Amino acid sequence: QLQLQESGPGLVKPSETLSLTCTVSGGSISSTSYYWGWIRQPPGKGLEWIGTIYFSGSTYYNPSLKSRVTISVDTSKNQFSLKLSSMTAADTAVYYCARLPWNDNLAWFDPWGQGTLVTVSS
Amino acid sequence: DIQMTQSPSSLSASVGDRVTITCRASQSISSAVNWYQQKPGKAPKLLISAASSLQSGVSSRFSGGGYGTDFTLTISSLQPEDLATYYCQQSYSTPVFGGGTKVKIK
Repeated sequence: QLQLQESGPGLVKPSETLSLTCTVSGGSISSTSYYWGWIRQPPGKGLEWIGTIYFSGSTYYNPSLKSRVTISVDTSKNQFSLKLSSMTAADTAVYYCARLPWNDNLAWFDPWGQGTLVTVSS
Repeated sequence: DIQMTQSPSSLSASVGDRVTITCRASQSISSAVNWYQQKPGKAPKLLISAASSLQSGVSSRFSGGGYGTDFTLTISSLQPEDLATYYCQQSYSTPVFGGGTKVKIK
């Protein structure tokens, strides 16, 4: 079945840029039926959507993060990536990637990767 | 943004109890609500999509309802393995999650 796996550094210094990659296995990221998304969860807190991408490269970002976020896709590697600039301690969180079936206003995150903890500290 | 207000933020119930969690949208969103279960240390898992569609493999103890602004997730008979935090999420506009409901077993 479809699986997603996040990869990237677990520790980032303040003001630096976070780079994470989500590798999709068991299915094609180029499927026309799905979008792909990033979500994060600060320790002990709730879930926050970061952004979504389609295989064509169309992107949608959380307005509160838009100035710092770039999501890209590499169909040849079946991967999509997240870059978040100007990191601060407030960006410390578990970062998840997920598939997003999307039809009109109906869209949900399923399945999810296992998540990767990113800590911002000098 | 369309905000989702979830209540209660936590609850404690006994095995076998019927449990209901509510999510209220800040404006009408048709049936564009999904529900997730997150067990400690794990990624969220989709339980219900489009307000009431139970995902394959999810226990029939779980059910979802509502339309417009008010939505519910109901666990018909609480089991020990239902210990988790539950989140609603709206997809009518840019995705927004509710604040979560932590379910504890008495």
